[in-house]
Amino acid sequence: SQTIHQWPATLVQPVGSPLSLECTVEGTSNPNLYWYRQAAGRGLQLLFYSVGIGQISSEVPQNLSASRPQDRQFILSSKKLLLSDSGFYLCAITIGGNYEQYFGPGTRLTVT
Amino acid sequence: GESVGLHLPTLSVQEGDNSIINCAYSNSASDYFIWYKQESGKGPQFIIDIRSNMDKRQGQRVTVLLNKTVKHLSLQIAATQPGDSAVYFCAENTNDYKLSFGAGTTVTVRA
Repeated sequence: SQTIHQWPATLVQPVGSPLSLECTVEGTSNPNLYWYRQAAGRGLQLLFYSVGIGQISSEVPQNLSASRPQDRQFILSSKKLLLSDSGFYLCAITIGGNYEQYFGPGTRLTVT
Repeated sequence: GESVGLHLPTLSVQEGDNSIINCAYSNSASDYFIWYKQESGKGPQFIIDIRSNMDKRQGQRVTVLLNKTVKHLSLQIAATQPGDSAVYFCAENTNDYKLSFGAGTTVTVRA
C-alpha cells in the first residue's frame, strides 16, 4: 500500500522568509498529487494539484507555488511568507483514476 | 461558487448512542461523495464513499445515505465510541481530479 511522507512535521518561520515543504510518496507510481491548506478549525482548501511530472494546476491566487520534479515528489514553496500563510498543510494523492484521496500526516506552519 | 457544506458545526453524543452527521451539497452534477475523519493534528482518513447511483452504503459501524432529490448526504455511526471523537468532513467530486470539502463537523463523545 502507498505511504505519504511530509516534512517537516512542524515549522515556525518569520514573515518574509522563504518556505519549502516536501511531500514524497512510496508504494505507487503516477499518482495525482494535491496540496491543501487547513486553517485552524476550518475545512480544507485546495491549493495545487498535479497530474504528472512538471504539470501544476493552481486553484487559488497566492504567494505560494508548487513543483513536481519527480513522479512521487511534490514541493510547496514561497519566496516570502505572510502571516496568513500559517496553517496545516496537507499533501494528498489519488491512484489509478480513483476519486478517493489519501492524505499525508501534514505540516503545521506558523508564520510569526 | 457551489460548495459542500455541513448543517451543524458540532455534535455531542453519549457513548453507545448512534451519531448522525449531515451534509448539504449544491452541485447536482457531482457523482461521487466521500466521508473523512480527521483526528487532532493528523491528516484526514477515509471512512466511506458512495456514488450517485446508490442511496445507501454500509461499512463497519458506519452507513452513508445519499438523497439526491434534496442534495443531502449523511453519515451514521452506530454505537459511538470515544475513539470516534474527531472532525468529520464530507466531500464531493467536482471534476475528474478534484474533491470539494465541507467545513467539517466536530463530534465529541461523552463518557
